[in-house]
Amino acid sequence: TQLLEQSPQFLSIQEGENLTVYCNSSSVFSSLQWYRQEPGEGPVLLVTVVTGGEVKKLKRLTFQFGDARKDSSLHITAAQPGDTGLYLCAGGNYGQNFVFGPGTRLSVLP
Amino acid sequence: SQTIHQWPATLVQPVGSPLSLECTVEGTSNPNLYWYRQAAGRGLQLLFYSVGIGQISSEVPQNLSASRPQDRQFILSSKKLLLSDSGFYLCAWSWTSGSAVTQYFGPGTRLLVL
Repeated sequence: TQLLEQSPQFLSIQEGENLTVYCNSSSVFSSLQWYRQEPGEGPVLLVTVVTGGEVKKLKRLTFQFGDARKDSSLHITAAQPGDTGLYLCAGGNYGQNFVFGPGTRLSVLP
Repeated sequence: SQTIHQWPATLVQPVGSPLSLECTVEGTSNPNLYWYRQAAGRGLQLLFYSVGIGQISSEVPQNLSASRPQDRQFILSSKKLLLSDSGFYLCAWSWTSGSAVTQYFGPGTRLLVL
């Protein structure tokens, strides 16, 4: 059974601070996605990474896929209140259903 | 561009009543479609997925069922709702490009069973 773990489960920081959240598995994925979900809304795709060691940047967000394609990290620089939400990672393999982590709930205080 | 719709957005139903949630996708053909349930503040539980019209796979035994009467329409149903059916229901479709498999979600339906 493929599982994804995310850490930390909860994170509360002040505006302007940096943070990193992690997504780990013992399984290899052909691609991994990060989503942000706000209360009462569906998850919104932030990024898809497919190559081991790949780094993608989306404004203040930096995503990295582990060399072995089993883990990933999301780093946010100078967090803002608008970054508040539930961050979900999901692993995918062709012909298989997606595996979702339990999420990291981030709160950025002004 | 592709868009995914769900309705209703919110639903309050009494225990024992029937349920029908609808999901439609625009801008793509023959998508893989999924129904998930999300308990408050928690991760996603896959309920059903479909790779084509009339093809439904169930991941979790329960009193819910799914149907796909048209290529881009996915329906989640129940004959008699239970209190434990309350939650946030999400429909999604997936897209494959090379080795990248990506899911896109609809806005969700919040169901409260009283």
